[in-house]
Amino acid sequence: QKEVEQDPGPLSVPEGAIVSLNCTYSNSAFQYFMWYRQYSRKGPELLMYTYSSGNKEDGRFTAQVDKSSKYISLFIRDSQPSDSATYLCAMRLTGNTPLVFGKGTRLSVIA
Amino acid sequence: DGGITQSPKYLFRKEGQNVTLSCEQNLNHDAMYWYRQDPGQGLRLIYYSQIVNDFQKGDIAEGYSVSREKKESFPLTVTSAQKNPTAFYLCASSTTAGPRDTQYFGPGTRLTVL
Repeated sequence: QKEVEQDPGPLSVPEGAIVSLNCTYSNSAFQYFMWYRQYSRKGPELLMYTYSSGNKEDGRFTAQVDKSSKYISLFIRDSQPSDSATYLCAMRLTGNTPLVFGKGTRLSVIA
Repeated sequence: DGGITQSPKYLFRKEGQNVTLSCEQNLNHDAMYWYRQDPGQGLRLIYYSQIVNDFQKGDIAEGYSVSREKKESFPLTVTSAQKNPTAFYLCASSTTAGPRDTQYFGPGTRLTVL
């Protein structure tokens, strides 16, 4: 079993839709959870950062962590064509350990 | 302008040759990382360094080597022992100042073996 599972998509939605991206993980010791956005042929950029369980909102983006289910989500409201990218979830055990990444979900938002 | 730079953006190499990818950061970050990204594979950790003159192997270190002689620089050498080196290589850095640090990425180098 992979440590972090993420549906690779592709996921195609119309402009304005609510998008839900998800990852599951097997190691209950993960404490820090991140979402990165990667445009084609570019480096990933940090989108959201959460610690432990709970929700975090930033504009149109909401990150959700459910440690009891070992499940994290990223919601994008009012999706825009500029949101078309690959979204990578990542997590780590402690502050100094390397990140473990999901394989990424490719999202296309159609105008 | 703070950030992480990687050079070159595109690199072509003949089979059997070693090649070195550059990564420089001016963020004063202690830790630096190298990842390899293949289509459908996500990011896989090659090497990382949390302090100058020290580094650790990641999940796929075979056929790669690194050095960390300066805080701001973490070059990666892809050796001829790496069987399938064509990939997108990403460098990242982070502070080790506390639990809330996270990684910031450079723009990447695309290596193609001819």
